[in-house]
Amino acid sequence: DVKVTQSSRYLVKRTGEKVFLECVQDMDHENMFWYRQDPGLGLRLIYFSYDVKMKEKGDIPEGYSVSREKKERFSLILESASTNQTSMYLCASGGIDGTSRNYNEQFFGPGTRLTVL
Amino acid sequence: GENVEQHPSTLSVQEGDSAVIKCTYSDSASNYFPWYKQELGKGPQLIIDIRSNVGEKKDQRIAVTLNKTAKHFSLHITETQPEDSAVYFCAARIYGNNRLAFGKGNQVVVIP
Repeated sequence: DVKVTQSSRYLVKRTGEKVFLECVQDMDHENMFWYRQDPGLGLRLIYFSYDVKMKEKGDIPEGYSVSREKKERFSLILESASTNQTSMYLCASGGIDGTSRNYNEQFFGPGTRLTVL
Repeated sequence: GENVEQHPSTLSVQEGDSAVIKCTYSDSASNYFPWYKQELGKGPQLIIDIRSNVGEKKDQRIAVTLNKTAKHFSLHITETQPEDSAVYFCAARIYGNNRLAFGKGNQVVVIP
């Protein structure tokens, strides 16, 4: 079974702190994604990565950065946490179908609920 | 970019009845349409998907239909059970793109 794990289920931080959210996948997927989920707003893409050291901005990258030093690990960084970054953060990974070369489904982790005080 | 709209936002059904959730998309180049189910306290999980060369796909009590002309696709759940209560997200992906555009989600409540 594909497994995507996130370093914490719940996290409480103070305004101005630097926050690291870690995500690890065990399926050798090329693509990894960070979303945030807020009530009524669905899943919004923050950043994604299609290869080691490669990254692209999603729809809401402001206030966030990412790091992908190894294929299996994708980190989301809040340089200076603010209260409006209180949210559920979801990591996902996805591969490419070897035969059709179509991008396949995304597998999600359990999420990290971050509260910034 | 692709824009996905999802209706209704909340759906309550009696146990045993059918539930239908409809999504519309904007970009005719989209060719992959997955549906995800998110249970309380968990991440979304893929339950069914359809590619644009197929009009309908079934898996036990769930089915997805796609109308490319009208640019909409629907999730059908038959004989609903309490464990079907969850948030359901539809999504669309443009060919050659590795991003998914998600709808805002539907809360489905199955009343015993």
